[in-house]
This record gives sequence, structure tokens and C-alpha cells, in this order.
Amino acid sequence: ETGVTQTPRHLVMGMTNKKSLKCEQHLGHNAMYWYKQSAKKPLELMFVYNFKEQTENNSVPSRFSPECPNSSHLFLHLHTLQPEDSALYLCASSQGTASGQDTQYFGPGTRLTVL
Amino acid sequence: AQTVTQSQPEMSVQEAETVTLSCTYDTSESDYYLFWYKQPPSRQMILVIRQEAYKQQNATENRFSVNFQKAAKSFSLKISDSQLGDAAMYFCAYRSAWDTGNQFYFGTGTSLTVIP
Repeated sequence: ETGVTQTPRHLVMGMTNKKSLKCEQHLGHNAMYWYKQSAKKPLELMFVYNFKEQTENNSVPSRFSPECPNSSHLFLHLHTLQPEDSALYLCASSQGTASGQDTQYFGPGTRLTVL
Repeated sequence: AQTVTQSQPEMSVQEAETVTLSCTYDTSESDYYLFWYKQPPSRQMILVIRQEAYKQQNATENRFSVNFQKAAKSFSLKISDSQLGDAAMYFCAYRSAWDTGNQFYFGTGTSLTVIP
């Protein structure tokens, strides 16, 4: 596979469930990102990892827990979510975080519905 | 935080015609990067074009070109000879040259319909 892949593509979960989203990039990049995309709102950056180290956490509630075991994989662990957390969750990667390495490549997203 | 505004939620264009999508941004910085991304229905977002603010020349990529007006803080995307495959959501994004975290600020998007 090439590019950035995400699994699952669709997920329905109850508020008491625990689930995980997975992202894998096949581009040899060092930086990875999680975004939340809601209708009629700008993409919201949630987390940034660079060389497996978290560099940004944009005031995301603790019910979202990221994990980056290596530069190719990124997870988003979900627990006790709220219905307003229903959205498309996008993963992206870039060569790095410096200027000139900044173009982000996106995965297809996971459509999450919280009941 | 920087603000990116796309004032046209929806646009339509006849196939083979030209359409311009608008984007304005608010920043006090002089060095930054601007992007246009395309998100086709149920498909992943892809980069259309990237502009460096210190370059006066407008970026072009085949049928896609931008009109970058730094003083006006405007960054519009022109699509020439529109094709059915151009139908998508288009997002404008801003990145500060000084940001070590590579944070992008996105607009709310413009949904482009191409009429056959």
C-alpha cells in the first residue's frame, strides 16, 4: 500500500466503549498528525508527533489518547466519548515539521459515530 | 491563532469553464506558507498547490493557479478548463514559517460542483 492508510474507515461506538483508530504511513515521513473534521468547521488539529515524540496537544480532552510507537504508526485511543465527538478523524504525515518539509499528506479518515 | 476565511461555502462551474475560489487570512507575520487542498467526496485530501509568502510569483500547477495578494492577505485559487473530477471540497490553509510544530490553520472549505 502507498500513502497514508487509516483503519477502520467507519466506526460506531457507544459512550462507554473503548476503541482505537489506527493510522499507517508508507512515505518514510517523520511527523504524524491527528485532525478532527466536523461539518462546516475548520479542521481541528489534535496532536502532532515528530520522531515519535508528541510536540503538540491542542487542549484535547483526555478521553482521546494518542500513541505513536514508531514514525510509521499512529493510534488514537478512544474511551467514554460523547455524541459531539462524532466526526471524521483524519491522520496526516509530513517529512518533518520544518519549513520545506511541511506538506501534509492525508489519509482517507475514519468516520466515527458515537451513540 | 491565525484565522483563515473562505467566504464561499458553495460554488459551481460549467465544465471547461474557469472558476475562482476565494481565501483570506489574518496574520501579523511576514513569513508564512499557504496551501490549497482538495477533498473529493469520500476520498482523501490531497495537496493542490503551495505558495511561499516571500515569493512574489504566483504558484501554478497545471490547470490550477493562485492569485496571491500579500498586502490584501488574499490567496484565491483559479481552476481553468474545469473537469468533472475537480468536483470536491477545497480547503485553504495557512502555516507560519516560525511554527516548529507545523500547525496548519484551515478554512471551512468551499464545495465545488462541476456541471456537465
